[in-house]
Amino acid sequence: DAGVIQSPRHEVTEMGQEVTLRCKPISGHDYLFWYRQTMMRGLELLIYFNNNVPIDDSGMPEDRFSAKMPNASFSTLKIQPSEPRDSAVYFCASSSGRDNEKLFFGSGTQLSVL
Amino acid sequence: GEDVEQSLFLSVREGDSSVINCTYTDSSSTYLYWYKQEPGAGLQLLTYIFSNMDMKQDQRLTVLLNKKDKHLSLRIADTQTGDSAIYFCAGDTGRRALTFGSGTRLQVQP
Repeated sequence: DAGVIQSPRHEVTEMGQEVTLRCKPISGHDYLFWYRQTMMRGLELLIYFNNNVPIDDSGMPEDRFSAKMPNASFSTLKIQPSEPRDSAVYFCASSSGRDNEKLFFGSGTQLSVL
Repeated sequence: GEDVEQSLFLSVREGDSSVINCTYTDSSSTYLYWYKQEPGAGLQLLTYIFSNMDMKQDQRLTVLLNKKDKHLSLRIADTQTGDSAIYFCAGDTGRRALTFGSGTRLQVQP
């Protein structure tokens, strides 16, 4: 398996623009997580899904952020409109409910909002 | 919610042992974890310990868990330059999503 795949690796955009981050979890994994990493706040959980259903979105900063998982092999995190304070590395991770101790991370998307 | 704290930086010489420490507030985690992050990469699971264990050894890695003091440590024996990275401890606090510490940057001097 290729692991968790995220795209794009880098995204530079201007304030006010819509940003869409994409994630393909490991095949067979039924949990998918979105984390955000910044110097100031470290790694923060934004939202996670189980069997494509959002379970906990309490970490989503505000209404500008939304996440979807239309099927078991794809998820998106959208920011609309983007702001400079959204600049961070966004990680997607997946795990299997049968083997929960192993969380696999993608390489992340480095987002810069100018 | 869970609070997980780590020291920010550790510098050691190649061949020495490294000890990275972590304290946490919530004792409900079933497992406690150590992850490694190399520059420009995602986090990679290094090792984990079940909450009813005191110690786990995995090759050069030794995890110690002191439940009374809510203290977790990771010892790396014979530290190599390839071990230079950021190390995160994490707990599951009884749910599927992990809560991570702020990370400890390990610098290994040749």
